[in-house]
Amino acid sequence: DVVMTQSPDFLSVSLGDRATITCKSSQSVLYSSNKKNFLAWYQQKSGQPPKLLMSWASARESGVPDRFSGGGSGTDFTLTISSLQPEDVAVYYCHQYYSSPPTFGGGTRVEIK
Amino acid sequence: QVQLVQSGSEVQKPGSSVTVSCKASGVTFSHYALNWVREAPGQGLEWVGRIIPVLGKTDYAQKFQGRVSITADKDTTTAYMDVRSLSSEDTAVYYCAGQIFGSGTPRPFESWGQGTQVTVSS
Repeated sequence: DVVMTQSPDFLSVSLGDRATITCKSSQSVLYSSNKKNFLAWYQQKSGQPPKLLMSWASARESGVPDRFSGGGSGTDFTLTISSLQPEDVAVYYCHQYYSSPPTFGGGTRVEIK
Repeated sequence: QVQLVQSGSEVQKPGSSVTVSCKASGVTFSHYALNWVREAPGQGLEWVGRIIPVLGKTDYAQKFQGRVSITADKDTTTAYMDVRSLSSEDTAVYYCAGQIFGSGTPRPFESWGQGTQVTVSS
């Protein structure tokens, strides 16, 4: 199985500041034939199901604010919130869908400092 | 708009079984796969298994093989997950998660149900 390792586990950031989460996969999730990274990011607010934020490592879903950006390739990825807003308080998960079984990182809890 | 609506909370005794349902609407069921993902208290997300209804094909995480069955009714566009031999370690919120299927290329989980709390307690 592909192991997804997120860091940090917990992030406390001041309003308006940048928040960066990293995710490392134990194997590359880059598919060479189409040059796509099979890596997604989800946001889960308290008491709610996860919501897909980003797919293919850097493609924002419709309606996701542009302060969210994704980067990286192969085995190393980042999710950045450029200017943290109160509504961004949540747990964020990375997810590889390159190979079965699909696997998730352990999650990063983002809070306001 | 895709909507996945799950059945309500369950409280079950150790050793018993539970069935959770997930009704899909606003989606072409033949182009969809339905996954089950669980979130145990204080833990992250764990994939349980999935079904591709148009093919009747199922896949399970190794740790759930033989104890979990996932089925789907194409007529009612509803997927079901049966979990047998429940223990306290199965206490979790179970989500169904939809995934577009059709080109052969794996995709992320675009839609999620609201979650079903399953509590296993004597």
